[in-house]
Amino acid sequence: DAGVIQSPRHEVTEMGQEVTLRCKPISGHDYLFWYRQTMMRGLELLIYFNNNVPIDDSGMPEDRFSAKMPNASFSTLKIQPSEPRDSAVYFCASSFQGKQYFGPGTRLTVT
Amino acid sequence: QKEVEQNSGPLSVPEGAIASLNCTYSDRGSQSFFWYRQYSGKSPELIMFIYSNGDKEDGRFTAQLNKASQYVSLLIRDSQPSDSATYLCAVNKGKFYFGSGTKLNVKP
Repeated sequence: DAGVIQSPRHEVTEMGQEVTLRCKPISGHDYLFWYRQTMMRGLELLIYFNNNVPIDDSGMPEDRFSAKMPNASFSTLKIQPSEPRDSAVYFCASSFQGKQYFGPGTRLTVT
Repeated sequence: QKEVEQNSGPLSVPEGAIASLNCTYSDRGSQSFFWYRQYSGKSPELIMFIYSNGDKEDGRFTAQLNKASQYVSLLIRDSQPSDSATYLCAVNKGKFYFGSGTKLNVKP
């Protein structure tokens, strides 16, 4: 299996621009998670889906963040407009039967 | 109170020694526990998981659960420099709750 796939791996953008991060979960996994990791705050859960349905988005920092999962093999996390404090590594993870596997992450830098 | 707590370390052990990593959890009803290893600049990698019914051994790694004291341990026998990483403990309660991680340094 290819594992969780994320794109892009690196993104550098200017403040105010829209950023879209993409994720393809492991085939057959029924949960998908979006995390953000920084040195200061560690690993934070932003939102998770079960069978493509958002279950808990309480970790989404504000309305500038949105996530979708239109089908079982694709999800996006969008930030609009982006701000320098959004700079972090964003991980997508998927799970099946309770075991969660992470993608390689997207390193986002907002200048 | 955080769901999962870990000592941030760093924990330094000499090569060949046993490294012992611990985390505590707040919900006594928690059923499944996970250990992830994260190398610098990489994503967390699942290395061990246990359920409330018992401990588990896999090669040099042993995960132990102490339900009475609500903590989970990860023992790494014959530690190698390649084990140097940050170890994250997690509890699955529908969504995953992660500790802040313990940095392990294995000195040659």
